[in-house]
Amino acid sequence: AQSVSQHNHHVILSEAASLELGCNYSYGGTVNLFWYVQYPGQHLQLLLKYFSGDPLVKGIKGFEAEFIKSKFSFNLRKPSVQWSDTAEYFCAVRGSNYQLIWGAGTKLIIKP
Amino acid sequence: DVKVTQSSRYLVKRTGEKVFLECVQDMDHENMFWYRQDPGLGLRLIYFSYDVKMKEKGDIPEGYSVSREKKERFSLILESASTNQTSMYLCASSFDTNSYEQYFGPGTRLTVT
Repeated sequence: AQSVSQHNHHVILSEAASLELGCNYSYGGTVNLFWYVQYPGQHLQLLLKYFSGDPLVKGIKGFEAEFIKSKFSFNLRKPSVQWSDTAEYFCAVRGSNYQLIWGAGTKLIIKP
Repeated sequence: DVKVTQSSRYLVKRTGEKVFLECVQDMDHENMFWYRQDPGLGLRLIYFSYDVKMKEKGDIPEGYSVSREKKERFSLILESASTNQTSMYLCASSFDTNSYEQYFGPGTRLTVT
């Protein structure tokens, strides 16, 4: 069965630090990859997605992710985080039957 | 903008009660999903529906049922609520078989006492 692994459950950074959140997936055919974000008290929303083409994908709020096929990875990056980036981040991969397979999530806390 | 709404943000029910959670989307999406979200476990799929009156079990369907009588509405039913069903319940929808991008509602935090 397909699976998604997010390496860290909790990450604490200071403002202006660089961010990289790890995501690895098990191969299951067509690779469509997603990062979603859930800000405190808000609904889950799409941060960015990869379907095909350029493996470096840019999303909202200065986030980007790189699809590395040989490593089955789709890590999320941001060069300089802000306090407002405090949120929970979820990686997901296309599964079968219209579904997404979700990672366990990474809680990011940015210290002002 | 896609809008997915859920009937309640917070709900408190007693053990053994029948609970209905409603979800409505306004973008004519084919697919709708119910998840529960628990700390450290991510999102776990309970049921999904790819068409009116069609439903498929997800990873954790036990203790739940669903109903989709109209395209825009997808209901989650807890036949007899138990304390281990205390959780955040998320509804989502997606457009078609090629998209896979899901749009989420605000969630319902259900507490069963």
